[in-house]
Amino acid sequence: QQQVKQSPQSLIVQKGGIPIINCAYENTAFDYFPWYQQFPGKGPALLIAIRPDVSEKKEGRFTISFNKSAKQFSLHIMDSQPGDSATYFCAATNSGGSNYKLTFGKGTLLTVNP
Amino acid sequence: EAQVTQNPRYLITVTGKKLTVTCSQNMNHEYMSWYRQDPGLGLRQIYYSMNVEVTDKGDVPEGYKVSRKEKRNFPLILESPSPNQTSLYFCASSLSVAQSTDTQYFGPGTRLTVL
Repeated sequence: QQQVKQSPQSLIVQKGGIPIINCAYENTAFDYFPWYQQFPGKGPALLIAIRPDVSEKKEGRFTISFNKSAKQFSLHIMDSQPGDSATYFCAATNSGGSNYKLTFGKGTLLTVNP
Repeated sequence: EAQVTQNPRYLITVTGKKLTVTCSQNMNHEYMSWYRQDPGLGLRQIYYSMNVEVTDKGDVPEGYKVSRKEKRNFPLILESPSPNQTSLYFCASSLSVAQSTDTQYFGPGTRLTVL
């Protein structure tokens, strides 16, 4: 059972464009939603995270939008740059759960062309 | 420098030859975890540990063992590797089991090929 569905699988934009990556979850116990960024040859690193008590969170050029009723959240990258080219993973967890497990989406390979 | 280290970074082995991938963190983190990353499947948790001598299975534990004898180390053991364990493996750690929203810090990965 895939509990976090991520789309698209890959995405190509031009510099300055606004790529949007979408995730949907099924488990209503999830209450913390981080996004991880992974560059080739590196481990994933936390980019930004949101709790469902807010509908939007911005950090620099990165914004998470959250729709609790639809059980969906998305990552927007404003004014994208070639250096943003990476694989992006959404994730979800139940902060009151017993094993602090992150459930990851399958990832989106983003390419930002110059 | 605060970090999670893994060794080796690359390993090619043959079916059935026992191997260990080491993971060490220097941040005094309580929680440690192993993931495997496969194309089209994302990151899947293999095993995790809440503290010394406390380990439990994740989503895909078959064929793997772990141990947590010291807080800083969390080795992944493949007793009899098979080709379907060819994958990219990541170790991760986070500060406290009291805060499940603590950031997980990932190591650089170990690319394992089992022939």
